[in-house]
Amino acid sequence: DGGITQSPKYLFRKEGQNVTLSCEQNLNHDAMYWYRQDPGQGLRLIYYSQIVNDFQKGDIAEGYSVSREKKESFPLTVTSAQKNPTAFYLCASSIQRGGKETQYFGPGTRLLVL
Amino acid sequence: EDQVTQSPEALRLQEGESSSLNCSYTVSGLRGLFWYRQDPGKGPEFLFTLYSAGEEKEKERLKATLTKKESFLHITAPKPEDSATYLCAVITANSGYELNFGKGTSLLVTP
Repeated sequence: DGGITQSPKYLFRKEGQNVTLSCEQNLNHDAMYWYRQDPGQGLRLIYYSQIVNDFQKGDIAEGYSVSREKKESFPLTVTSAQKNPTAFYLCASSIQRGGKETQYFGPGTRLLVL
Repeated sequence: EDQVTQSPEALRLQEGESSSLNCSYTVSGLRGLFWYRQDPGKGPEFLFTLYSAGEEKEKERLKATLTKKESFLHITAPKPEDSATYLCAVITANSGYELNFGKGTSLLVTP
């Protein structure tokens, strides 16, 4: 089945710990994105990548890092510098055709702080 | 600054009671408006993309329309399984590849 997978579904972080969220897609999409969702707020962009080995910061990149070594994979690391990491994290991917683009989302990872 | 506002925040309907959700936007250079459905604890599911004023798209009981200032998601004769949060997002000339989301409308359809 083609799609976007995220793991784990739930993740617990201790104070001062870095944690990494996985995102994999087999849709052959060029672009991948990370969003954060908090209750009562719209989704906010953390990082995005249009091609392998290149990525750009979104609106709320502080305290996060990413890599894009393979087209299929775009892992997100939540560092100890992110002081309020508890949220629902969503990965998305997209392909452009004729100047038009639609982003498709994975199932999400819920990060909780112990 | 681009803004996307969804109303109402929450809506409760009886099964079969048709209604509309609103997404109003103040943006520079709209390139596309997107509707997603999100169930609790899950990722958003793509529904529609609209690109220009006057455009309409339909899928089962849902119909999305677009004007120069807003989009409506019409739900005809809803069923309990239509209960979800509906998200509106835009891509603009300013936003590049970033989707700018509204806060969503939480829809509950009761039997």
